[in-house]
Amino acid sequence: ETGVTQTPRHLVMGMTNKKSLKCEQHLGHNAMYWYKQSAKKPLELMFVYNFKEQTENNSVPSRFSPECPNSSHLFLHLHTLQPEDSALYLCASSQEGSNQPQHFGDGTRLSIL
Amino acid sequence: DQQVKQNSPSLSVQEGRISILNCDYTNSMFDYFLWYKKYPAEGPTFLISISSIKDKNEDGRFTVFLNKSAKHLSLHIVPSQPGDSAVYFCAASIQGGNTPLVFGKGTRLSVIA
Repeated sequence: ETGVTQTPRHLVMGMTNKKSLKCEQHLGHNAMYWYKQSAKKPLELMFVYNFKEQTENNSVPSRFSPECPNSSHLFLHLHTLQPEDSALYLCASSQEGSNQPQHFGDGTRLSIL
Repeated sequence: DQQVKQNSPSLSVQEGRISILNCDYTNSMFDYFLWYKKYPAEGPTFLISISSIKDKNEDGRFTVFLNKSAKHLSLHIVPSQPGDSAVYFCAASIQGGNTPLVFGKGTRLSVIA
């Protein structure tokens, strides 16, 4: 039990579908993150939210749309994805500040057909 | 351009011996470093960190060494156990701001019984 829960764990979708990934943290943290992990690449930061405000968008295509309704929940809305978007999507949370370790969820394995 | 490099994609070590995982970085502004461990089908788990004011940090069987002049850090695991078999990620950041963590590609450690 990591304190960060991601659903679903696996998702297969077509390029024209719309779906959402959900992340919930029970650690009382105030910063949340979305990462993408593709095969043989480093973890790529996508978005950062501090106190529900987006503070980082790492040049992510607009087909990925994050939403942070409160400091415990983070969503990633997906629409018209491409096959190269197939990857493991990881959510993390931490106390605000770059010297705080991030706690990760177990990820959503996304496959685009 | 990768700012955090883990040049060994894999490492095999016999049970009971020392495992040494290496990480190099290029950005001299980095002053906080972390190691994460990842099992298959799980998210990365924070293992140990070190600030640039130190050159060594120890936690049980895990020790991280930092050589600032060489821009190099290493994780030592001794004695290695089969349960240590996982992918280890090195990460770096700049304290005092909201700079996100930058991850290496990871090293897969296999501890052979």
